[in-house]
Amino acid sequence: GQSLEQPSEVTAVEGAIVQINCTYQTSGFYGLSWYQQHDGGAPTFLSYNALDGLEETGRFSSFLSRSDSYGYLLLQELQMKDSASYFCAVRVKAGTALIFGKGTTLSVSS
Amino acid sequence: KAGVTQTPRYLIKTRGQQVTLSCSPISGHRSVSWYQQTPGQGLQFLFEYFSETQRNKGNFPGRFSGRQFSNSRSEMNVSTLELGDSALYLCASSLEWNRGAYEQYFGPGTRLTVT
Repeated sequence: GQSLEQPSEVTAVEGAIVQINCTYQTSGFYGLSWYQQHDGGAPTFLSYNALDGLEETGRFSSFLSRSDSYGYLLLQELQMKDSASYFCAVRVKAGTALIFGKGTTLSVSS
Repeated sequence: KAGVTQTPRYLIKTRGQQVTLSCSPISGHRSVSWYQQTPGQGLQFLFEYFSETQRNKGNFPGRFSGRQFSNSRSEMNVSTLELGDSALYLCASSLEWNRGAYEQYFGPGTRLTVT
C-alpha cells in the first residue's frame, strides 16, 4: 500500500522556525505537494517539489530528497496566523490521484 | 476569478437516505476531485473527473458515485447513508489532470452529518 508519515502535532512560538517532516512509502513518485488548512477552512496549496532540493516561497520553504523518500516544509518567522494543519501529498505517477498524509497540526503561541 | 463553490455547505441526513453534493470548479478548470475528510484520517480520495470521464477512483464502496457535466460542474452521490459517512466532503479543481504541478484549488466543503 501507499503511505505518508508526518507528525501529528508540532508546537512553536512566534518568531521561531519549525520543520514538518514527511516520509513516504509509495510504489512510485511523481511529486510532493504541501497544503495548509486552517480550522474550518479549505486546504490551500503551498508548494510542490518534483526534483531534489529546496524550493523557497517567502517565509515557507519545501525540501525533497527522492533517494530518502523524504521531504519537509520549513516555516520561518512564525506568526500566530500560521497555526493550522499542514498536509503533505504525493502523486505516484502522472495521471494518478494525490495521496495525502494525515496532517500535522501546528500550534504557534506568543 | 470566483473560487470553487460547493453546495450545500451543511447537510443533515438520516441513516438509509441518499444525498447529492454539488461542486462548481474555477472557470477554465476541467479536472475535479472529491475527498472525504474526517478527524484523524486526513483527506481520503474519492474520485477524480476530467472532461466528463472518471480518471481515478479511490477505495470507497459503490454507494459513493459521481459524475461530471460538460460545463465541468460535478456532483457526488452517496446512497444508503451510514453513520460513518458523516464527514466534510471537499471538492478540488485543477487545470489539468495528468501533467504539471497539479495545484489543486479546494472549495469550502460540505459538512454532512448522518443521524
